[in-house]
Amino acid sequence: DAGVIQSPRHEVTEMGQEVTLRCKPISGHNSLFWYRQTMMRGLELLIYFNNNVPIDDSGMPEDRFSAKMPNASFSTLKIQPSEPRDSAVYFCASGPSGQGISEQYFGPGTRLTVT
Amino acid sequence: AQSVTQPDIHITVSEGASLELRCNYSYGATPYLFWYVQSPGQGLQLLLKYFSGDTLVQGIKGFEAEFKRSQSSFNLRKPSVHWSDAAEYFCAVGPYGGSQGNLIFGKGTKLSVKP
Repeated sequence: DAGVIQSPRHEVTEMGQEVTLRCKPISGHNSLFWYRQTMMRGLELLIYFNNNVPIDDSGMPEDRFSAKMPNASFSTLKIQPSEPRDSAVYFCASGPSGQGISEQYFGPGTRLTVT
Repeated sequence: AQSVTQPDIHITVSEGASLELRCNYSYGATPYLFWYVQSPGQGLQLLLKYFSGDTLVQGIKGFEAEFKRSQSSFNLRKPSVHWSDAAEYFCAVGPYGGSQGNLIFGKGTKLSVKP
């Protein structure tokens, strides 16, 4: 199994530009999670999907952030416009569905730097 | 309120010494407990998980964890630490039953290993 795939692995952009992060979950997993990790705030959940439907987006910091999951094998996290304070590592994780299962498997992350 | 507490921010142990990382949780429902490890520049890797049964669970890389309901704890242990164990360790709690839900992560404990 390839595991969770994220692209790009590194992104450097200028303030005001649009940034799109991509994630391919593990095949067969029905839940997908986007996290942000910084030194100051640690690991924060931004949004999660179950069966391609957003379940909880209360962690999305503001309207500049949006996430989509058009099908079971692909999700995007978009930041428009980007700001320096968005610099962080963004992780995607997926999890199997089913009664009593809540474990998550993480991708390698995308390190975003906004200058 | 649901929470996970890892009281030790940073621990240093000598190679070959034993290790115990502490985790306490507060959770209203039946918890599903996890330990993850994050090596520098990497995503989070699942070490082990517990829901029911034997309260001592074995994970990968020689780690084990013991669930103590009376103490609301799920401490991670390893009898002999290797230099490659230097990383950050996260305890997490999630729901059991029903649809897929979110995990609540602790702030993490950074482990340094002295030669």
